[in-house]
Amino acid sequence: EVQLVESGGGLVQPGGSLRLSCAASGFTFSSYWMHWVRQAPGKGLVWVSRINSDGSSTSYADSVKGRFTISRDNAKNTLYLQMNSLRAEDTAVYYCAREPTRRDGYPLGGPDYWGQGTLVTVSS
Amino acid sequence: IQLTQSPSSLSASVGDRVTITCRASQGISSYLAWYQQKPGKAPKLLIYAASTLQSGVPSRFSGSGSGTDFTLTISSLQPEDFATYYCQQLNSYPLTFGPGTNVDIK
Repeated sequence: EVQLVESGGGLVQPGGSLRLSCAASGFTFSSYWMHWVRQAPGKGLVWVSRINSDGSSTSYADSVKGRFTISRDNAKNTLYLQMNSLRAEDTAVYYCAREPTRRDGYPLGGPDYWGQGTLVTVSS
Repeated sequence: IQLTQSPSSLSASVGDRVTITCRASQGISSYLAWYQQKPGKAPKLLIYAASTLQSGVPSRFSGSGSGTDFTLTISSLQPEDFATYYCQQLNSYPLTFGPGTNVDIK
């Protein structure tokens, strides 16, 4: 069974840091691109970041570029999101999601499995 | 790339045919996905590459379009389909989602 389990969320003060983890199981983690997507309370989905299958290529939303870093450890089947200089507007549920790839290794077209999310609250 | 969805919300009855539109601010070929999200739950992938039905998704869901205009159609709305629907473009960074369409019971 495919499982993505996020952890590391919690309450942090503005300007603080937090590292989210996403533990993957039930599939070959190293074959998938991975995403972080967030959703503020009562709001819509916002894409945050994406990383390719071997971790050599990353991309970010403009709102987090320079503050957040996505990474992965394929030996540990784990995805990470290091979040620095946190702001109140970063408050959200953060989801990790996997994206299948084609035979050429490029993404197929969107995340097909999502974790249940972890809540990050930035407040003093 | 900005995505707009219309309508932002709709009320429908079980058995109705429902169509949701997603429009991109510039051409995105067929790099569009549709998701369904229910309150307190993670999104679920319905359609990818604009028109390919994700495995396990009922055939009453279909997607069409390319370039800038896309549609998600539910041919006969079922009770479990009341939810919010989002489109997402994966053509270029930053990837973006539409604002969502809430489908509720009439």
